Amino acid sequence: DQQVKQNSPSLSVQEGRISILNCDYTNSMFDYFLWYKKYPAEGPTFLISISSIKDKNEDGRFTVFLNKSAKHLSLHIVPSQPGDSAVYFCAASLTGTASKLTFGTGTRLQVTL
Amino acid sequence: EPEVTQTPSHQVTQMGQEVILRCVPISNHLYFYWYRQILGQKVEFLVSFYNNEISEKSEIFDDQFSVERPDGSNFTLKIRSTKLEDSAMYFCASSDGTNYFDSPLHFGNGTRLTVT
Repeated sequence: DQQVKQNSPSLSVQEGRISILNCDYTNSMFDYFLWYKKYPAEGPTFLISISSIKDKNEDGRFTVFLNKSAKHLSLHIVPSQPGDSAVYFCAASLTGTASKLTFGTGTRLQVTL
Repeated sequence: EPEVTQTPSHQVTQMGQEVILRCVPISNHLYFYWYRQILGQKVEFLVSFYNNEISEKSEIFDDQFSVERPDGSNFTLKIRSTKLEDSAMYFCASSDGTNYFDSPLHFGNGTRLTVT
C-alpha cells in the first residue's frame, strides 16, 4: 500500500535556510492533507493542513503547497531552525472517512548550525 | 496544553499472552483512535471509536483486537493473544470532531509493545 509516498528518507539543511519536504500520493479521492512532526519517543504532533480546494496554506514559518494535477504536496519551512530537526510525516484522508489517516513513511530533517 | 497520555510507555509480553494498552484522551474530545507503527514502517490506522462504538477499522484490526471506553476518561486497546508481528509502537489519538481543518488528531507518546 503506497498511496502516500515520501521518497526522501532524510534531508539536511543549514540553519536559516529553507527546508522543502515533499510528498506524493496516488489516490485522487484524498481530499485533505496534513503534516505531522515527530520527535524521538514522542507521538506525532500536528503541524499544518490543507484542503484539496486550496493550493497553499501558510502558518508562520510553515507553508504547505498542494498540486492536485501532479498529486504532489510539499512543506516549506523558512527559516529552518535546529529545533525543527525531527521526522516529518505527510498524511491524507479520504472524502467521507475523516477518522482515518493514511501516512507516508516520513522524512528525517536535520537542521545543522 | 492538554495532551493524550498513554501507559505503559513500554510493554514486554510473551507470545500468546493478552495485553491491554491504556490511553487517556483529551478530556473534551469525542473521537478516539488507535494507530500503530512497526519499526521502520509507516504509521498505520487501526480503529476509530465514537459514541461508544467502533466507527471504522482497518484490515489489521481483526478479532484479536478490541477497544473499550470503560469509564469517562480511559480508552483501551486489547490484544487477546499476541503474536510476534504485533510488536510495534501503538499510538492513541483523539479529536473533538471529524473536520480535520478545525480538529486534527492529537497523538499520545505511544506504547512500545515487544512480543517475545
